[in-house]
Amino acid sequence: KNQVEQSPQSLIILEGKNCTLQCNYTVSPFSNLRWYKQDTGRGPVSLTIMTFSENTKSNGRYTATLDADTKQSSLHITASQLSDSASYICVVSAGGGSQGNLIFGKGTKLSVKP
Amino acid sequence: DGGITQSPKYLFRKEGQNVTLSCEQNLNHDAMYWYRQDPGQGLRLIYYSQIVNDFQKGDIAEGYSVSREKKESFPLTVTSAQKNPTAFYLCASSIFPDPNTEAFFGQGTRLTVV
Repeated sequence: KNQVEQSPQSLIILEGKNCTLQCNYTVSPFSNLRWYKQDTGRGPVSLTIMTFSENTKSNGRYTATLDADTKQSSLHITASQLSDSASYICVVSAGGGSQGNLIFGKGTKLSVKP
Repeated sequence: DGGITQSPKYLFRKEGQNVTLSCEQNLNHDAMYWYRQDPGQGLRLIYYSQIVNDFQKGDIAEGYSVSREKKESFPLTVTSAQKNPTAFYLCASSIFPDPNTEAFFGQGTRLTVV
């Protein structure tokens, strides 16, 4: 069964600190892995998208890594800001021409405190 | 501004009523999707459409219906057959058939049964 597992479920950090969120997946066939940021009550916004051949991608203070061998990904946030408080969702595409094959994780809820 | 617009932001439904959620995009995307998000759960696919006048059931289509008469529009009707419709509904769009492009989300509609 295709699954995406994220950890931790929630995380509280102080402003200015770094943190790393984890994503493990069992999805076949694999097409790409995405990280989304979702503010409370809003739609998800894309942070990164990585294909099989990419093992790291950055978007400002966000850096995602992908290890296709171990089927693990991480999202590292550097110098956190209060506006980083949100849910971060890992999504894996199960391939094919349609994006109707996206498998969503349950998300990690990040709270950044002053 | 290019984007994807959902309306209304909040919607209340009485028992036995059908309600329709609107989703419009001006990104010229071929594919559009409807997802349901429940607290603590990953997004689940309700319906998707890859081309005008065609759509496919997702994982939880029972109690929902859609139409795709125009490329820009993909309305979702929540029928009285949906026994537990209270949830956050998200519409998304993407280029088709490339699976490695971004999916863009609307800001969501929160539906509550009263």
